[in-house]
Amino acid sequence: EAEVAQSPRYKITEKSQAVAFWCDPISGHATLYWYRQILGQGPELLVQFQDESVVDDSQLPKDRFSAERLKGVDSTLKIQPAELGDSAMYLCASSLTGDSYEQYFGPGTRLTVT
Amino acid sequence: AQKVTQAQTEISVVEKEDVTLDCVYETRDTTYYLFWYKQPPSGELVFLIRRNSFDEQNEISGRYSWNFQKSTSSFNFTITASQVVDSAVYFCALSDYNAGNMLTFGGGTRLMVKP
Repeated sequence: EAEVAQSPRYKITEKSQAVAFWCDPISGHATLYWYRQILGQGPELLVQFQDESVVDDSQLPKDRFSAERLKGVDSTLKIQPAELGDSAMYLCASSLTGDSYEQYFGPGTRLTVT
Repeated sequence: AQKVTQAQTEISVVEKEDVTLDCVYETRDTTYYLFWYKQPPSGELVFLIRRNSFDEQNEISGRYSWNFQKSTSSFNFTITASQVVDSAVYFCALSDYNAGNMLTFGGGTRLMVKP
């Protein structure tokens, strides 16, 4: 069964350092999402891509976060510099289209900023 | 604006008991979609069901059933004869037509099924 791949699974970094996460969506899925899930809360959307274009990044803290999906396939989310409050699970999801089809989630990257 | 409320933060039951997880939503749109996801301890979110706003028929899938009531803006999830493997955090989510497929999640309900 096709899955969304994410790496690394776990990342510990010191504050003010740069960190990057990678996501490979299910083959053929045009829409890719990055979510942040703080412990004990539901996921919150950071950015949505349709192919290589950003559809929604209104919740992305653009002073320190950036996301790209250059060829419309895999994607990278970067934080620079990391802050203590960035400690969370970062989830990537993909869907066939952007038309409210179900989103399939990857295993996530758990980030701890010390 | 969209909002999803899961008032039950934690539920504990004994195996074989039935349990219902509540979900109440708010949206101004008439076209929207509701979802339930399961998040086991391993962390990944597992899709369980999608329901659109025009289909109020209840759905049953094995031990799982969903009750959608537009009149009360609720989309509740029942597990019949719960099992230890059902222990997880369950999230209800809403996507309305004008939000471009953006999912708004509730805060989740942690279900613990004890043997």
